[in-house]
Amino acid sequence: NAGVTQTPKFRVLKTGQSMTLLCAQDMNHEYMYWYRQDPGMGLRLIHYSVGEGTTAKGEVPDGYNVSRLKKQNFLLGLESAAPSQTSVYFCASAGTSKPYEQYFGPGTRLTVT
Amino acid sequence: EDKVVQSPLSLVVHEGDTVTLNCSYEVTNFRSLLWYKQEKKAPTFLFMLTSSGIEKKSGRLSSILDKKELFSILNITATQTGDSAIYLCAVVGRGGSYIPTFGRGTSLIVHP
Repeated sequence: NAGVTQTPKFRVLKTGQSMTLLCAQDMNHEYMYWYRQDPGMGLRLIHYSVGEGTTAKGEVPDGYNVSRLKKQNFLLGLESAAPSQTSVYFCASAGTSKPYEQYFGPGTRLTVT
Repeated sequence: EDKVVQSPLSLVVHEGDTVTLNCSYEVTNFRSLLWYKQEKKAPTFLFMLTSSGIEKKSGRLSSILDKKELFSILNITATQTGDSAIYLCAVVGRGGSYIPTFGRGTSLIVHP
């Protein structure tokens, strides 16, 4: 099992550009999450999904959109990147039997210039 | 709004020392408290606590919850350089979805 994978691992964008981050999990988990982590800030939830076809806003959703068309994939989109979105982005998933045990991907380091 | 405050923010010790990391929280309708360890990249799950006074233990790591005083501690005995990491505490309130609120983390550095 690959667990949780994220694509790409690194990306540099110019202000105003768009991009999509892909998260994939092969554990048949219902719950999936997107977090951002800034220095000294811990993990902040952007959006989450409790199942295929459903999404919801987290703590810091502005400037991001998500989609969960397939159970195993959770996409995070930035329509018009801003320097404030420079961060490390983590995807995580969890199953219904152990929702407290989130499995995290390796992260995507995004820099917006 | 749920809130988690971890202390200290950073800690430097030598191998063999014992450390105590603190986590205080405010949450509407407490459900559980979580501890994660983050080494170079992705966080990994350590403990989930739901009841006061019951210690969770894994090797040299242990954790306990006090729901009356709204805090938890994570103890690491006989620290090793491999314990160097950021330790994240999170709290989950009761609601339809299982959504953790994370603290800022404690950065632990263990010198040989």
